[in-house]
Amino acid sequence: QKEVEQDPGPLSVPEGAIVSLNCTYSNSAFQYFMWYRQYSRKGPELLMYTYSSGNKEDGRFTAQVDKSSKYISLFIRDSQPSDSATYLCAMILEGFQKLVFGTGTRLLVSP
Amino acid sequence: EPEVTQTPSHQVTQMGQEVILRCVPISNHLYFYWYRQILGQKVEFLVSFYNNEISEKSEIFDDQFSVERPDGSNFTLKIRSTKLEDSAMYFCASSEYRLAGGSSTDTQYFGPGTRLTVL
Repeated sequence: QKEVEQDPGPLSVPEGAIVSLNCTYSNSAFQYFMWYRQYSRKGPELLMYTYSSGNKEDGRFTAQVDKSSKYISLFIRDSQPSDSATYLCAMILEGFQKLVFGTGTRLLVSP
Repeated sequence: EPEVTQTPSHQVTQMGQEVILRCVPISNHLYFYWYRQILGQKVEFLVSFYNNEISEKSEIFDDQFSVERPDGSNFTLKIRSTKLEDSAMYFCASSEYRLAGGSSTDTQYFGPGTRLTVL
């Protein structure tokens, strides 16, 4: 079983749609959860960060962590064509520094 | 806004040659990292560096790799004898502290990457 699993997509939605992106993971010891956005041939850009379980909202973005199900989500409201990118989930074990990434989901938002 | 910078943006080298990839982390950050991303694959951790020593490394980071902070601003990754399979995007990242207790200021910020092509 892969440590972090993420559907590679592509996920195609019309502008204004609500987007749901998800990751599952196998190691229940993960404590820190991030979502990064990566445009083609660029570095990952931090979008959201959550510690342990719960929800976090920042503008159009909401991150959710369900540790009991080992499942994390990123919701994007009122999606824009500029949101078209690859979205990477990443997580870290308590006491470590190594970010463990999912493969990324490619999102395409059409005008 | 402060950012991590990397040079060169693209490096082409012959198999067996040594390459040095350079990074300038965000100025008040204390922890430094290298990751790589082979085309079409996920981002993989290579090494973390704090207080002039390696604090964590992956199984990918074998004896052909080394890291150094030669001065107060640069952080370098050296690959001694490049192989075809070293072709990838190499990302440098930095953080102010290591993650503890949930402060988002301790998360890792990435540079734009160096694309390494080994022929």
